Amino acid sequence: AQSVTQLGSHVSVSEGALVLLRCNYSSSVPPYLFWYVQYPNQGLQLLLKYTSAATLVKGINGFEAEFKKSETSFHLTKPSAHMSDAAEYFCAVSEGNQGGKLIFGQGTELSVKP
Amino acid sequence: SAVISQKPSRDICQRGTSLTIQCQVDSQVTMMFWYRQQPGQSLTLIATANQGSEATYESGFVIDKFPISRPNLTFSTLTVSNMSPEDSSIYLCSAKDRGRVETQYFGPGTRLLVL
Repeated sequence: AQSVTQLGSHVSVSEGALVLLRCNYSSSVPPYLFWYVQYPNQGLQLLLKYTSAATLVKGINGFEAEFKKSETSFHLTKPSAHMSDAAEYFCAVSEGNQGGKLIFGQGTELSVKP
Repeated sequence: SAVISQKPSRDICQRGTSLTIQCQVDSQVTMMFWYRQQPGQSLTLIATANQGSEATYESGFVIDKFPISRPNLTFSTLTVSNMSPEDSSIYLCSAKDRGRVETQYFGPGTRLLVL
């Protein structure tokens, strides 16, 4: 069965600092992996996705993530945090032959200090 | 990308009543899903809405409590029946793009408070 673990329910960084949000997955087949962002009182917005092409995936708003099969990880990074990055971030996994169903991690709340 | 709208955006309901949430996609999509996000929690899949047939429910969710319709490729409804305060959550609709591998888009959500 597939699952996702996000390490750290809350991460706080200073503006301009590196953002690192951790995600580890478990899947019996090559997975599709996603990062979504949820701003307060809004729905989910797709940041980026990995679908077995390049292992380093670039997304919107300067975020990127690297798929590491040996570590079963898909950590999200951004070189320099901005105040507008404060939000809830969700990592999700999908097995392509399971009809597109997404399994979400518990979420990581990112705070950005001025 | 698919643009998804939901109605209502929020509601306050009395226990024992039912609420139907509508989800509209601006293009034809292969699959539509309904998720629940309880306060401070992650998203949990309720069911996959199948066009022209009964929805496929996940473990812990039943049709009598969460009846779903999907009459065509752009529209679906979720009803939360016989509500209790435990049903207070955000309900999100999502859709998978036709022809685009595993890209799933989400609506803005319906925020439900049951008193």
